[in-house]
Amino acid sequence: SQQGEEDPQALSIQEGENATMNCSYKTSINNLQWYRQNSGRGLVHLILIRSNEREKHSGRLRVTLDTSKKSSSLLITASRAADTASYFCATAQSGGYQKVTFGIGTKLQVIP
Amino acid sequence: GAGVSQSPRYKVAKRGQDVALRCDPISGHVSLFWYQQALGQGPEFLTYFQNEAQLDKSGLPSDRFFAERPEGSVSTLKIQRTQQEDSAVYLCASSSNSRSNEKLFFGSGTQLSVL
Repeated sequence: SQQGEEDPQALSIQEGENATMNCSYKTSINNLQWYRQNSGRGLVHLILIRSNEREKHSGRLRVTLDTSKKSSSLLITASRAADTASYFCATAQSGGYQKVTFGIGTKLQVIP
Repeated sequence: GAGVSQSPRYKVAKRGQDVALRCDPISGHVSLFWYQQALGQGPEFLTYFQNEAQLDKSGLPSDRFFAERPEGSVSTLKIQRTQQEDSAVYLCASSSNSRSNEKLFFGSGTQLSVL
């Protein structure tokens, strides 16, 4: 079974607009990661936020984490056509070997 | 190697055939994960290795699925008597630090089609 649920499942925006994707999860986590997947390819790590952090930035990416609500959001600012891809949140569970489980993903389309 | 390598890239099997999928992780990476990804879905956890030890196989769907990593590097996922529902992309990922799996490096996957 999958740990996270992304919302929305699909998002279509114009180039230059911001894209926001949300993720909810169920168990206690050590960290939360966001990955990107282009069609037919493997996943690429984008950004990580630890359980004791609330916000993280990397270039045009901004991630927030609310552990009390077990939710995270990924904001992509000034989107480009090349950002078109599927985005997944993944959680590394606290305790044990830190199993990494993925959500169902948000399919983002950026229209030029 | 420079990245995680998976082979074959595509595999077509007749129902009932056995298949073996190979994963070459990044050299020195301790952690290795296998995931199954159905079309339009997120990767679903199958199994986890820390070096040669298989610490978690709770995601393997049935006893037809078997994974090994005998020398702590290359891993093989074997599916016996394949069924149509096994059709999916099988992804392998590795991580350098088993204590905090903070960044997984993925291969391009093996797309398995069972006819």
